[in-house]
Amino acid sequence: AQSVTQLDSQVPVFEEAPVELRCNYSSSVSVYLFWYVQYPNQGLQLLLKYLSGSTLVKGINGFEAEFNKSQTSFHLRKPSVHISDTAEYFCAVSARVAGKSTFGDGTTLTVKP
Amino acid sequence: DAGVIQSPRHEVTEMGQEVTLRCKPISGHNSLFWYRQTMMRGLELLIYFNNNVPIDDSGMPEDRFSAKMPNASFSTLKIQPSEPRDSAVYFCASSFGGLAGFAGDYEQYFGPGTRLTVT
Repeated sequence: AQSVTQLDSQVPVFEEAPVELRCNYSSSVSVYLFWYVQYPNQGLQLLLKYLSGSTLVKGINGFEAEFNKSQTSFHLRKPSVHISDTAEYFCAVSARVAGKSTFGDGTTLTVKP
Repeated sequence: DAGVIQSPRHEVTEMGQEVTLRCKPISGHNSLFWYRQTMMRGLELLIYFNNNVPIDDSGMPEDRFSAKMPNASFSTLKIQPSEPRDSAVYFCASSFGGLAGFAGDYEQYFGPGTRLTVT
């Protein structure tokens, strides 16, 4: 079975500052990794995904994440955030043979002016 | 593509009534998921279908909840009888991928959700 831990439930940050949202996972098999974003009153949408290959993955809206197999982490970063990035962010892991994803509890990113 | 379609978007009902939520997945996707989201419990997977077959229903809270997928383009989640504690946002998601040996990247596409209020 897989599990996901998002280390911060809430991250407040000022506009134009860098941000890192932390995600650790555990799994006994190879996995795919995802970050999703949920804006208020909307469903989740994919930010980026790691399937294989380069460990640095770039996604939409200027976000990127790095897969670190030795530390079993998949932290999300953005060098300069905007007010519009205020949302809840979910890290998810899927075993390559399972078909379903396990989601973390979410991190609420609040960008202040 | 219109994306995952859910109906209704909002549902208000009285305790004891039957509630049916509907979902149309993205054409060509072979996996479908029902989730429930609340402030207290976060995002919970209720049931997962692959090729119209229920694979994992361990998240279904109790016998009052049932889900069906009669064909690849339609699924329902039914609550009978409904209770106030069922109040939540229910999401349907679909993806391409599945069990061992079936290629796919498992990226999930979520619908807009159904906000259910049981009074």
